[in-house]
Amino acid sequence: DVVMTQSPLSLPVTLGQPASISCRSSQSLVYSDGNTYLNWFQQRPGQSPRRLIYKVSNRDSGVPDRFSGSGSGTDFTLKISRVEVEDVGFYYCMQGTHWPRTFGQGTKVEIK
Amino acid sequence: EVQLLESGGGLVQPGGSLRLSCAASGFSFSAYAMSWVRQVPGKGLDLVSTITNSGGNTYYADSVKGRFTTSRDNSKNTLYLQMNSLRAEDTAVYYCATNWNCDVWGQGTLVTVSS
Repeated sequence: DVVMTQSPLSLPVTLGQPASISCRSSQSLVYSDGNTYLNWFQQRPGQSPRRLIYKVSNRDSGVPDRFSGSGSGTDFTLKISRVEVEDVGFYYCMQGTHWPRTFGQGTKVEIK
Repeated sequence: EVQLLESGGGLVQPGGSLRLSCAASGFSFSAYAMSWVRQVPGKGLDLVSTITNSGGNTYYADSVKGRFTTSRDNSKNTLYLQMNSLRAEDTAVYYCATNWNCDVWGQGTLVTVSS
């Protein structure tokens, strides 16, 4: 199975400041069709996960533009340009290139 | 608006069975693959199974292969997860989600396996 490794696992952030989460895969996530199926999910306290980003850098509908994704191959990043109170929760990367789909361990974002 | 509503969770003894349902609305259900993902309380996410849009192909995590069966009824816009030979380690919140890359998620249903 493809191992997804996130860092850091805990991220205290000051309101209004940027935040960055890294996600690395044990194998390349480039699929045979040329696409890279790397997704980012947010899970607020007490809620279901919600997808924020698909195919590395594409924001889902309704996702604020302060969220951005980047990367290629095996190395990916989720950035929040200015953290707001509603951004508190866990963030997970997930690869959709290989079966079984696998998630990172999760990164807890909290306000300092 | 896409909506997914899981049901069927509850308390079951080890070795027992349970069937989860996921009622879908707001999109063309028969056009999309569907997935089940579980989350042990306080822990991370694990994809359990995915079924193609027609139901012709299903894929399972090794941890549930041979014990869980995913099916769907496109006439009823409903996804199912039949869980047999349940173990304590199957205790989790089970979510259904659309498509291969879990575009949209339901609210989840809690399955507790305990004597």
